[in-house]
Amino acid sequence: GENVEQHPSTLSVQEGDSAVIKCTYSDSASNYFPWYKQELGKGPQLIIDIRSNVGEKKDQRIAVTLNKTAKHFSLHITETQPEDSAVYFCAASSTDSWGKFQFGAGTQVVVTP
Amino acid sequence: GAVVSQHPSWVICKSGTSVKIECRSLDFQATTMFWYRQFPKQSLMLMATSNEGSKATYEQGVEKDKFLINHASLTLSTLTVTSAHPEDSSFYICSARGRGPTGELFFGEGSRLTVL
Repeated sequence: GENVEQHPSTLSVQEGDSAVIKCTYSDSASNYFPWYKQELGKGPQLIIDIRSNVGEKKDQRIAVTLNKTAKHFSLHITETQPEDSAVYFCAASSTDSWGKFQFGAGTQVVVTP
Repeated sequence: GAVVSQHPSWVICKSGTSVKIECRSLDFQATTMFWYRQFPKQSLMLMATSNEGSKATYEQGVEKDKFLINHASLTLSTLTVTSAHPEDSSFYICSARGRGPTGELFFGEGSRLTVL
């Protein structure tokens, strides 16, 4: 089955700096890679996603890159703000198992003013 | 607003009792719902996949007699934790998938279960 590894487990950044979180996956059949933000006591919220036919996607301060050959994808947050502090999860899924996610271990991001 | 609603958002029960958690899709018909479990400071682990009108498919290591899942309609799936024990205390999260091969997908806000 799919195995998703995520690094780092914690990330502390100064407000205004960039944050990068990296994930690798094992199943070449995976073709959908979402990123979720989870605040304490709440469900995960989708912040950005990318499909395997695209190498990069950007939405304002957030971007995701995908390297299918190397089987890794990354989340980039620029100009970080205190409200970006949360746990971020990467995930992988395939069209055949749409919505059935294998999540990474999560990254606790702390943005200090 | 939320398109997937979970109820209750938190529940405390005594050991040995059963607890039912509901997952509802509010704005769309969910052909498939997924149930995850999340322990403190850990990731979400898929427990089971439920399709409307059929039996749930459980992930390896998840006791189907312990975690009863019912998906009786296109907008409601329920998870019943039977004979709950303190080790069942966790955050339970559902997600709902709409129609089609890549239908819309939304997560609920989660339900915190504490078993005393």
